[in-house]
Amino acid sequence: DADVTQTPRNRITKTGKRIMLECSQTKGHDRMYWYRQDPGLGLRLIYYSFDVKDINKGEISDGYSVSRQAQAKFSLSLESAIPNQTALYFCATSTGGYGYTFGSGTRLTVV
Amino acid sequence: KQEVTQIPAALSVPEGENLVLNCSFTDSAIYNLQWFRQDPGKGLTSLLLIQSSQREQTSGRLNASLDKSSGRSTLYIAASQPGDSATYLCAVIAGGTSYGKLTFGQGTILTVHP
Repeated sequence: DADVTQTPRNRITKTGKRIMLECSQTKGHDRMYWYRQDPGLGLRLIYYSFDVKDINKGEISDGYSVSRQAQAKFSLSLESAIPNQTALYFCATSTGGYGYTFGSGTRLTVV
Repeated sequence: KQEVTQIPAALSVPEGENLVLNCSFTDSAIYNLQWFRQDPGKGLTSLLLIQSSQREQTSGRLNASLDKSSGRSTLYIAASQPGDSATYLCAVIAGGTSYGKLTFGQGTILTVHP
């Protein structure tokens, strides 16, 4: 099994729908992150969590929310999806300064 | 604000060549630096992590160096192969008050042709 598992791998949804992307990890890391990747814009941080009770906004949190259900689980929600949220989404974990581990990504298309 | 720049943006080489990818960062107060590989539409695979106290790190045909004072890192790939074709991303891990924050470069797209 992968260290960081994201579900679903691919998703097409309609504008205005609520959608949740899920992430689970077996690394035992406290820190978890959600990034989105767009061509030409690189990877941008959406939200991050240093433990179950600590949630922080990243660079581009508008239109997104997160939930840290357990140390190993961190989900990202789009409350009302819009087409410019079409992107590749990555979950990642870390212990702080000692390197990051990324999931395989969720390709989200909003039509 | 930390800014990370990777040069070149794209590189095309024949198989067997040795090559160097460059990464520069504006704030030298980093904790560590990590190089990743990304295949098209796929996730990021960690290649090498260099701690700020280290000068270089090696894994197989890959060698990464770090010069914190000048804000530079290089990734050296020896004897390139078509399977090395991918996007290579440099990421700086912050220290200090932003401890652990990751800032990415835009990446270098590498194509190795047979």
